[in-house]
Amino acid sequence: QKEVEQDPGPLSVPEGAIVSLNCTYSNSAFQYFMWYRQYSRKGPELLMYTYSSGNKEDGRFTAQVDKSSKYISLFIRDSQPSDSATYLCAMIPSGAGSYQLTFGKGTKLSVIP
Amino acid sequence: GAGVSQSPSNKVTEKGKDVELRCDPISGHTALYWYRQRLGQGLEFLIYFQGNSAPDKSGLPSDRFSAERTGESVSTLTIQRTQQEDSAVYLCASTPPLQETQYFGPGTRLLVL
Repeated sequence: QKEVEQDPGPLSVPEGAIVSLNCTYSNSAFQYFMWYRQYSRKGPELLMYTYSSGNKEDGRFTAQVDKSSKYISLFIRDSQPSDSATYLCAMIPSGAGSYQLTFGKGTKLSVIP
Repeated sequence: GAGVSQSPSNKVTEKGKDVELRCDPISGHTALYWYRQRLGQGLEFLIYFQGNSAPDKSGLPSDRFSAERTGESVSTLTIQRTQQEDSAVYLCASTPPLQETQYFGPGTRLLVL
């Protein structure tokens, strides 16, 4: 079992839809959780960063962490064609190795106008 | 301000040749990371620098891979005797002191023929 599992998609939704992207993980040492957005032929761009269970909202984006279930989600409201990209979840453990990001494979999202 | 920059943006080389990839981190960022992203795969951690020392080289795939960093500035990743399986996007990221969030450059796309 990989440490971080993420459905690669592709996921295609109409403009204005609510998008739900998810990752599960197996390492209970993971304490910091991030979502990156990667446009084609670009480097990943940090979108959201959380370190506690619960929800964190930033504009149209909400990151949710459930440490008891080892499950994280990113919700995108009122999706726009400009949201079309690959979304990568990433995690960092506390303690030893607390600098090393472990990534999911990424979910490719297309928002259709 | 200026982000992480990488050069070259694209590199095509013949099998068996050596290549050198360059990363310029954000000014003031003390930590620097190299990752590899193969087509359809997540990011693989290669090496981590804190200042100019590399406490974790565990991700380097073979002894053909090496990296160095000058102070808290430029880093170079060298791949000797390139193989076709080395074809990937090589991403560099940097982190400000006492933070976990990593800021990525645009990557170098390496193709080994």
